Amino acid sequence: QVQLVESGGGVVQPGRSLRLSCAVSGFIFSRYGMHWVRQAPGKGLEWVAGISYDGSNKYYADSVKGRFTISRDNSKNTLYLQMNSLRAEDTAVYYCAIPAGLGYYDNNNYPIDYWGQGTLVTVSS
Amino acid sequence: QSALTQPASVAGSPGQSITISCTGTSSDVGNYNLVSWYQQHPGKAPKLMIYEGSKRPSGVSNRFSGSKSGNTASLTISGLQAEDEADYYCCSYAGSSTLVFGGGTKLTVL
Repeated sequence: QVQLVESGGGVVQPGRSLRLSCAVSGFIFSRYGMHWVRQAPGKGLEWVAGISYDGSNKYYADSVKGRFTISRDNSKNTLYLQMNSLRAEDTAVYYCAIPAGLGYYDNNNYPIDYWGQGTLVTVSS
Repeated sequence: QSALTQPASVAGSPGQSITISCTGTSSDVGNYNLVSWYQQHPGKAPKLMIYEGSKRPSGVSNRFSGSKSGNTASLTISGLQAEDEADYYCCSYAGSSTLVFGGGTKLTVL
């Protein structure tokens, strides 16, 4: 059974940093790209960042570029999101995910689409 | 990286059909056959309902269907049921391993 479990959320002051983690099990983590998607309270989904299966390529939304860093440790089956210079508008539930919209498939050519339960980050003084 | 455009809300009575549109650009929806649709109930993670524009994952009711024309994708739900009441998001691949989501549509079953 595939599980993606995020941790590291909490309340942080503007300008400070926070690191999120996503522990993956029941899945061959090292074979797939991973992504972070966030959802501000009462708002829609926003793609934040993505990383290739081996960590060699990283991609960011313009809204977080230069402040957030995505990384992974395949030996620990864990995805990370280092968030620096946090702003009030970064307040959101952060999901780690492998969205089907990126064309990932399992061995039977079924779409890969896994999401964690989310971790809440609140940026407030 | 502008969000895809969806209507803020739609409503329908049980048994009726509704369609939710999702308008993007030639850089995302219009350029790739990788539009997916998600259903999200309050406090829950998104659930995949449609992928590659019109395909249904195993376990998703055939009352849900998707289509695309040009830069606009659509999700149709037929035979509306009370449990369909939720927020719906479209999502498109936008190149370079990036995604763009729609703003979301709140479906109310009257």
